[in-house]
Amino acid sequence: GAGVSQSPSNKVTEKGKDVELRCDPISGHTALYWYRQSLGQGLEFLIYFQGNSAPDKSGLPSDRFSAERTGGSVSTLTIQRTQQEDSAVYLCASSLSPGLAGDVSYNEQFFGPGTRLTVL
Amino acid sequence: AQSVTQPDIHITVSEGASLELRCNYSYGATPYLFWYVQSPGQGLQLLLKYFSGDTLVQGIKGFEAEFKRSQSSFNLRKPSVHWSDAAEYFCAVDATSGTYKYIFGTGTRLKVLA
Repeated sequence: GAGVSQSPSNKVTEKGKDVELRCDPISGHTALYWYRQSLGQGLEFLIYFQGNSAPDKSGLPSDRFSAERTGGSVSTLTIQRTQQEDSAVYLCASSLSPGLAGDVSYNEQFFGPGTRLTVL
Repeated sequence: AQSVTQPDIHITVSEGASLELRCNYSYGATPYLFWYVQSPGQGLQLLLKYFSGDTLVQGIKGFEAEFKRSQSSFNLRKPSVHWSDAAEYFCAVDATSGTYKYIFGTGTRLKVLA
């Protein structure tokens, strides 16, 4: 079946512009995650959506970053007034409803190919 | 604070040689540990995971990893590397059991010589 898809694959923007990055999770996956992968850095957790619960936004680096998930499926990550330090690969992942690893409901995260954002 | 260290940024091995990629973590409780592989232009693919039980975990593509609590390590191994294994490998820890905020290492880039 189809995996996690992200669009665009590449985005070049000028400093100060707003950008929107899109993620289509695997059908039926209730959990959705955004990560950022900067040059020379590991992957940094940004935000987590689970069903209709309030998202965990604890990883968002500033109030210029926001994300929404419409209808429990597609998610959009928005970066306002982009800065050069926002240049990175933004990865989206989805999973089935997470649970404790001791039971069968714990599910791995499936990652999309990412969106490479370049801020000039 | 939890952290994951992959001390080798780059590793080069010859095809057919054995491979070990190192991963150390700093975490107080029983961790959930993962190894992912990222090929150029691709998303991350899960190779294997450890939650509890047998400390030697088998994964896909012939990879295995061993959890050593005394050394806070979760090293990835493969007995014979194939050219197609050239990629970047990430070790990750589930930051707080059940919250799914993975903490990733900075990755090890593997080059395979023919």
